Amino acid sequence: QSALTQPRSVSGSPGQSVTISCTGTSSDVGDYNYVSWYQQHPGKAPKLMIYDVSERPSGVPDRFSGSKSGNTASLTISGLQAEDEADYYCCSYAGSFTSVFGGGTKLTVL
Amino acid sequence: EVQLVESGGNLVQPGGSLRLSCAASGFTFSSYWMHWVRQAPGKGLVWVSRINRDGSSTTYADSVKGRFTISRDNAKNTLYLQMNSLRAEDTAVYYCAREGSGSYYFDYWGQGSLVTVSS
Repeated sequence: QSALTQPRSVSGSPGQSVTISCTGTSSDVGDYNYVSWYQQHPGKAPKLMIYDVSERPSGVPDRFSGSKSGNTASLTISGLQAEDEADYYCCSYAGSFTSVFGGGTKLTVL
Repeated sequence: EVQLVESGGNLVQPGGSLRLSCAASGFTFSSYWMHWVRQAPGKGLVWVSRINRDGSSTTYADSVKGRFTISRDNAKNTLYLQMNSLRAEDTAVYYCAREGSGSYYFDYWGQGSLVTVSS
């Protein structure tokens, strides 16, 4: 149950695009199409942004998109806005009804 | 409106016990698998435990296996986490989360309950 690997921080200017990577193993990210992404603002509960690799819940802007290649999943945020500044966590199903999160990435909007 | 409200967090001494509760409303509680996720101060999210719809199947992270017990009372629409033999490293905000229907993700989260393990 080792944590998935995410960059500690990424940044971008308003209107730009940023991509956050999430690297796991062939036992989690690489084996299942069950990667989800969560946004967390300081002092708040996490919010689901992407599920099943690339599906977007209703209410989440289409500026948020997800993808996966091999053992690495990615979250792309296009048209960056100030309110996107937050921590982002990936999560993958890891078999046997367990889940594993990434260490989190702090997104700074310059 | 789906709501999850945790309670029971407190300051407890190492080796002590605590039970967290998560009151659910706005959906058919018995139809969903439920989870506990924790977050140590200034750290990332860590999955802790999961329970199926009728409580007959449970799973735990290695770090809490044998010390924590997840359970549910569908008649009371409430999820529980019994925490025994608490350690300083268990200090965290504990979130209950609902699993999305038919897949493995968390679509609704509570506001969290702070557990502090310290002498």
